[in-house]
Amino acid sequence: EDQVTQSPEALRLQEGESSSLNCSYTVSGLRGLFWYRQDPGKGPEFLFTLYSAGEEKEKERLKATLTKKESFLHITAPKPEDSATYLCAVQAAGNKLTFGGGTRVLVKP
Amino acid sequence: GAVVSQHPSRVICKSGTSVKIECRSLDFQATTMFWYRQFPKQSLMLMATSNEGSKATYEQGVEKDKFLINHASLTLSTLTVTSAHPEDSSFYICSARGGETPGPADTQYFGPGTRLTVL
Repeated sequence: EDQVTQSPEALRLQEGESSSLNCSYTVSGLRGLFWYRQDPGKGPEFLFTLYSAGEEKEKERLKATLTKKESFLHITAPKPEDSATYLCAVQAAGNKLTFGGGTRVLVKP
Repeated sequence: GAVVSQHPSRVICKSGTSVKIECRSLDFQATTMFWYRQFPKQSLMLMATSNEGSKATYEQGVEKDKFLINHASLTLSTLTVTSAHPEDSSFYICSARGGETPGPADTQYFGPGTRLTVL
């Protein structure tokens, strides 16, 4: 059974204080690892897809990396608007995504 | 690009009534749509997967007679919660995948969600 574990559950940062979120996964035959951002009361917003170990993707202050066992989402010099829950999900064979529990990030000014 | 809408955004109903939620892909054709449920401070739980023109595939523990899913076209899927009870109150989110979207292949794009409250 596919499993995804995200840590920490919650993260409080000062504006400008860089940090990393972890997503550890166990899956047979990874087809893709996805990062989403979710604001309260809204649906997830797509950020990145990573397909193979060593791959990296960047978007503004966010950078996602992938190894064979885990993925990291690095937030560089965060701003208050980066406050959200960040969700990691994996896709193995088939269409289904298996989500982690998410990391709630709060960036204080 | 890759916009998914849901309607309604909020619904309050009495116990025993049925509620229909619509999910539309606005600028792409969704060969596959998914329905999720999310409880407060928890992650998304997949309820079912539907492909256009065929029956939905439900996850273990999800009652198919209670949560009716119809994927009648490449841009529309509906979820009907039949004989709703307070324990069905939750945040329901759909996603869509397929066609020519700006993101990588296999990416699911999510709707804004529907908050269902059953009194």
